[in-house]
Amino acid sequence: GDSVTQMEGPVTLSEEAFLTINCTYTATGYPSLFWYVQYPGEGLQLLLKATKADDKGSNKGFEATYRKETTSFHLEKGSVQVSDSAVYFCALSFHGSSNTGKLIFGQGTTLQVKP
Amino acid sequence: DTAVSQTPKYLVTQMGNDKSIKCEQNLGHDTMYWYKQDSKKFLKIMFSYNNKELIINETVPNRFSPKSPDKAHLNLHINSLELGDSAVYFCASSSRLAGRYEQYFGPGTRLTVT
Repeated sequence: GDSVTQMEGPVTLSEEAFLTINCTYTATGYPSLFWYVQYPGEGLQLLLKATKADDKGSNKGFEATYRKETTSFHLEKGSVQVSDSAVYFCALSFHGSSNTGKLIFGQGTTLQVKP
Repeated sequence: DTAVSQTPKYLVTQMGNDKSIKCEQNLGHDTMYWYKQDSKKFLKIMFSYNNKELIINETVPNRFSPKSPDKAHLNLHINSLELGDSAVYFCASSSRLAGRYEQYFGPGTRLTVT
């Protein structure tokens, strides 16, 4: 079935370090890809998205590129801040009138940024 | 203005009780969802309604019953609560009709069954 796999956490970085969180997917069709972020005690917020191959999603300094050939959607940020500490979820969904649009999530990766 | 709201935020109850969680969205979306997040933070879809019609019903015990009185509301009723039902339940909404599939999530309801 369709699935999403993220790198194991927790990831601990110093402020201003470069961040990469790996995400790969298995899908029978052509999904849209998302990164969501969950800050402590809060709900999920959409961070960025990409709907077709080679699309790059970006927001708040985070970027991810939809790579169909490697079925990947890795999240990157050039310089993390303490305020980026959160759990990051990679997800996919299928769209169109015959699909439900449900999100299939990876297991989440906890990021801790130290001053 | 809160886009997707849930009540209550916390719910502590005993095994065997029946409880409900309510969700409302003011985004004008046509589709709403319930997700369950377990203690390891894994998120899984439970139900979805599109224009008050049930379109997703994953393998969830029939003790769980969703109800959507209108497009802006989706409630979740749980009968005979069990310890394993303890989790955080998230409501979400999206606009499938407008071709915008990103989902907006509520703050979650933390259910603790003792």
